[in-house]
Amino acid sequence: AQSVTQPDIHITVSEGASLELRCNYSYGATPYLFWYVQSPGQGLQLLLKYFSGDTLVQGIKGFEAEFKRSQSSFNLRKPSVHWSDAAEYFCAVGAESNYQLIWGAGTKLIIKP
Amino acid sequence: EAQVTQNPRYLITVTGKKLTVTCSQNMNHEYMSWYRQDPGLGLRQIYYSMNVEVTDKGDVPEGYKVSRKEKRNFPLILESPSPNQTSLYFCASRVMGGNTGELFFGEGSRLTVL
Repeated sequence: AQSVTQPDIHITVSEGASLELRCNYSYGATPYLFWYVQSPGQGLQLLLKYFSGDTLVQGIKGFEAEFKRSQSSFNLRKPSVHWSDAAEYFCAVGAESNYQLIWGAGTKLIIKP
Repeated sequence: EAQVTQNPRYLITVTGKKLTVTCSQNMNHEYMSWYRQDPGLGLRQIYYSMNVEVTDKGDVPEGYKVSRKEKRNFPLILESPSPNQTSLYFCASRVMGGNTGELFFGEGSRLTVL
């Protein structure tokens, strides 16, 4: 079955510390992978996406993600988090040729001062 | 400013009272979609539309209707709301071209059905 798993429901990190949010997927076709962020009271915004090529992709707000085909993972990283990064993060996977996305359940990031 | 606008942002209603959540986008996008977001379940697609007068069911269409009479508007209709439709709803749009395009989301509509 096709699925996206974000193993961590909540993650708490100190401001200035590094961050890694995990995403694992199961998908039958070549995956197109996305990370979206939902700030409190807001809609979702695209952070970054991977289609092909370099497996390390850069996104907005200083985020990056690495695609590892052998591990079926697309983990999101940031070297130093800021209080404004407190939000919920969603990983999603789809195929090029369709419009459907399979979404993970989300990881809520809490920043400690 | 490019945006997807949903109304109302918050609504409390009672079981069985028909309601409509409006969605409008100003980016001339062909594709529009409705999602519901529930804790621990992520986003689940309700309906989507690939162009005017073309709509299709997503993963959880039961209890909902949609229409696409104009390119910019994609209202979500709950003919007889029930408490299990209490949720946070998002409208989104994108250009055609499969999943290569970014989805643009509205700010969400929080619906409570008593």
